[in-house]
This record gives sequence, C-alpha cells and structure tokens, in this order.
Amino acid sequence: SQQGEEDPQALSIQEGENATMNCSYKTSINNLQWYRQNSGRGLVHLILIRSNEREKHSGRLRVTLDTSKKSSSLLITASRAADTASYFCATAFIPTQGGSEKLVFGKGMKLTVNP
Amino acid sequence: DAGVIQSPRHEVTEMGQEVTLRCKPISGHNSLFWYRQTMMRGLELLIYFNNNVPIDDSGMPEDRFSAKMPNASFSTLKIQPSEPRDSAVYFCASSPDRYTGEQYFGPGTRLTVT
Repeated sequence: SQQGEEDPQALSIQEGENATMNCSYKTSINNLQWYRQNSGRGLVHLILIRSNEREKHSGRLRVTLDTSKKSSSLLITASRAADTASYFCATAFIPTQGGSEKLVFGKGMKLTVNP
Repeated sequence: DAGVIQSPRHEVTEMGQEVTLRCKPISGHNSLFWYRQTMMRGLELLIYFNNNVPIDDSGMPEDRFSAKMPNASFSTLKIQPSEPRDSAVYFCASSPDRYTGEQYFGPGTRLTVT
C-alpha cells in the first residue's frame, strides 16, 4: 500500500534532546505532510513538503525529503515535555490504478519527552 | 477563527440506534473530510466533499453509513443502524485548498456503541 510508515513506532527521550522520526513510502508522491496528535485531540498540521523540495524548517521542526529513497524525516530540536504526542506522516499521491489524488495517513508513532 | 467544530464530543448509544454526527468546517474552506480512527485500523478516510459535493466515498464502510453536506457550513455523518464495531473516534477536517493540501481537524466525536 502507499501508506507511509513511521519509524520508530515509539520513541522516548529526555527534555532538551533532539527527536528524529522517519517516514517511508512506496510510490511517487506530490507532497508529504507531518501531523501531531495530542491524546484525545484532533490532528494538527505541522508542515508540508512538496516533491521538488528537499528540506523545510518551521520553528524547532526540520523536515527533509529524499524522493530517491522514498523517505522523509522529521527532526524536533531541543524537545520539550509538551512535544509528547503521536506524530503522523501523510502522503499525497495519484494511485497507480488512476483516479484522483489521495492523501493517506500512516499509523503514527508515539513520542514521549520526559521532563 | 473557532476552527472545525464537531458535535457531540461523546456519544454512547445502543446497538441498532441511529447516530448523527455533526461538523461545521472553517469558514471559506472548500473541502471537507470525515475520518474514523481506531487502534486497529488507524486513521481511515470515510468520505470527501469538495464545494459541498461528495467526491470520494469509497471509504464508507457500508450502506449503514451516509454523509451529507447541505451547505458550505454544515455536514452530517449518519450511522443507521449502529453496531458495536462502529465504536471509534470520528473526525471531521476541512481544507482551504484541494484534497491533498493541509487539513484542519476538529476535536473528534468519540462514539461508543454497546
């Protein structure tokens, strides 16, 4: 399936450390997005990177995209306890069987930042 | 902006009953999405509207599920009759752009069918 797969599925770090999450996918994409979900809440859009971009920054977030390896990484620098959440990557693509463009979410990964 | 508004936030109902979930998208957004989230299956797209017209309903599980968007500021997702396996968190999201731009999620409705 095209669904992006986040890796690792769970990560536990200390406050102040950097957190790196990876997403791999199978076919060509138009864009890749990262979302955060706090417990009991809806998803919050963090960043969108287009297929012709290699790196984007937003505050403490840095996203890279390697289309040759079909992978993306999300780096959170100087993590805080408030960064504790589930993180999802979502890939936008046109299905190989044709049809309209779709956005498919991965199953997410759990980040715990210990104070 | 108040963001995407969903109601109710929690719903507990008995098997066989009709359930209606409601969503008010962000004003000016052209696209609206209904998702279902469970531990087993993750986040699944149920249906996608663009300019109030259903574009992709391939994720609707079966005929018991129906969705409407009578105008740009309101949508409903109905389950009739409900079954225990419908228990999940249902999210509504809207987007100012096309399907695959950034989406803004509501707080969700936690549905429990006993």
